[in-house]
Amino acid sequence: GQQLNQSPQSMFIQEGEDVSMNCTSSSIFNTWLWYKQEPGEGPVLLIALYKAGELTSNGRLTAQFGITRKDSFLNISASIPSDVGIYFCAGIEFNAGNNRKLIWGLGTSLAVNP
Amino acid sequence: NAGVMQNPRHLVRRRGQEARLRCSPMKGHSHVYWYRQLPEEGLKFMVYLQKENIIDESGMPKERFSAEFPKEGPSILRIQQVVRGDSAAYFCASSPPAARDAFFGQGTRLTVV
Repeated sequence: GQQLNQSPQSMFIQEGEDVSMNCTSSSIFNTWLWYKQEPGEGPVLLIALYKAGELTSNGRLTAQFGITRKDSFLNISASIPSDVGIYFCAGIEFNAGNNRKLIWGLGTSLAVNP
Repeated sequence: NAGVMQNPRHLVRRRGQEARLRCSPMKGHSHVYWYRQLPEEGLKFMVYLQKENIIDESGMPKERFSAEFPKEGPSILRIQQVVRGDSAAYFCASSPPAARDAFFGQGTRLTVV
């Protein structure tokens, strides 16, 4: 099935550093979503982006919906140990009949060294 | 407002048995998605359902797997005659009509022995 190109695949950083990850697609999306998944848990929605060019923050997290509607990035500032987890991007495309399909990236695994 | 509830959290089945995974969406949510995740891998789409209707089952294996979302009650993902390769975490997500986001449950971890 279709998947988004999410990079980097993994990151190992020092506490306090900033982090940036992105997703790109060959298709145009109406919505971009960013999730975080911790071990043994389900993905938790962090940020939702609904308009091209939109820049949205959630605490130390900032995400942007690319102008071309084919990409999005997520930044985490001043990382802390509890930021550890796998970050997934997802794009939503609307099919005929207004049915939604979520297309997923493969995830960015983040490790933070205290 | 309770979140998406999945049960059981952990399920152990012997090869050849049936596994039934339940997902109760958030209140007011009429759309349910099921995903499968292997260790160290991303989420793989299986099926998208609305109440009493399968919208997209392009990710469902052709045999042994079925899903339903009845008018009343939870959505059920059913795996018949399980094999070791079915061992994985199965997540469901729900969203309300016309919404442009989805919220996940904590998953059911199926182990086939």
